[in-house]
Order: sequence, then C-alpha cells, then structure tokens
Amino acid sequence: KAGVTQTPRYLIKTRGQQVTLSCSPISGHRSVSWYQQTPGQGLQFLFEYFSETQRNKGNFPGRFSGRQFSNSRSEMNVSTLELGDSALYLCASSWGLARGEQFFGPGTRLTVL
Amino acid sequence: AQTVTQSQPEMSVQEAETVTLSCTYDTSESDYYLFWYKQPPSRQMILVIRQEAYKQQNATENRFSVNFQKAAKSFSLKISDSQLGDAAMYFCACSMDSNYQLIWGAGTKLIIKP
Repeated sequence: KAGVTQTPRYLIKTRGQQVTLSCSPISGHRSVSWYQQTPGQGLQFLFEYFSETQRNKGNFPGRFSGRQFSNSRSEMNVSTLELGDSALYLCASSWGLARGEQFFGPGTRLTVL
Repeated sequence: AQTVTQSQPEMSVQEAETVTLSCTYDTSESDYYLFWYKQPPSRQMILVIRQEAYKQQNATENRFSVNFQKAAKSFSLKISDSQLGDAAMYFCACSMDSNYQLIWGAGTKLIIKP
C-alpha cells in the first residue's frame, strides 16, 4: 500500500506570494491533518479534514486555508506569504479522526525569501 | 490549557544501553490517548507506541515501552538495547479533547553513541 505523498517536496517563494501544497493520503484513509514544523515552535496543528469537512482548526491566521476532495486528497493554501511561514509542512492521514495512529508524509519544505 | 511538555531537549545514550525520555501532560479529560512518535533525520515521522488512558497496563512494542502514570500525568518512553537507528527526534503527543486534536510536545533529540 502506497504511503502518504506530498507535493512538491521543496518550494521557494517570495513574500506576498501564495502557495498551494498537496497531500495524497493512504488509500482508504478519510482523515487528513496538516502541521507546520519549525525549529522554534515545534509541531503546530493547522487543520484536520474528514470526509471533505474541516473538523478541527488550529490557531493560525486566515491566510492558511485548506480543503479536501471526494477522493480524500487534500490541499492547503497559504496566501500573502510572510518570512515566518518558512517551515516544513507535514501532512498526516488516518482512517478515522486523529485519535489513532497517524501516517505522515515526507513533508514540503517551504522557504519564503 | 491542555499542554504536553517534554523537558529534555536532548538526550544521549551509549549503544546497547537503556534510555528513558520524559513527557508530562495536562488535561482535565478522562478519555484521551497518548503517543510517542519518532522523526529520524530527513525521514518521515512514524508512530512508536500508543497508550489509551483507560488502560492501566503499560504499552510495549519490542524494545520500546512506556511508563504511564495517570495520576501524575506522566508518560515516559523507555528504549532498551539502544541501536544506532534509534537516533531521531522523539515527540510525545496527546489526543485529549472532544475533537481528539493532537497536542504535541516540543520533542527530544536522541543521540546514540557507538
């Protein structure tokens, strides 16, 4: 069974631009969670989608948004990028809501210049 | 506020020895789940071990075991017979509210000395 895939793996953008990251969960998984990982702040929860509905949302500004499609693939979008958005963005999938094991993708490394 | 605290930013252990990583959490919930995840350098995060709060028996997975002290809100990870491949960041996480959102600790970097 293929694991969680994230595209692109690396991304360089400039301040003010917007970016869209993609996540394909493990086949059969209906929940997709997104995290931001930085050396200073650790792992911060962004949001979780389950069956195309946002179930949980972390404490991030409205510039961060996401969606989930009927095939459970998910995208997250960051608009008006700031230098502080530079981070590793991790996607994780699970069969049900995230109280069980989550399977992580390799992440997308976003650098904002 | 619901929090997860890992007080050891870095730990080192000699290969083949045993090491214990600490984690404490704060919650008023009675139903929650606790996890230890491992993130090797430049590799994907994987689940090491999971503990349901209602279970009194400590979880064990091969060389990995936990010491779950519910009253003390402590959830430490013991790694026996440490191997070079155990070198990684270890994150403690708790799924503790009605939405089961995972709350993460800051992580402990584990160094294995050959």
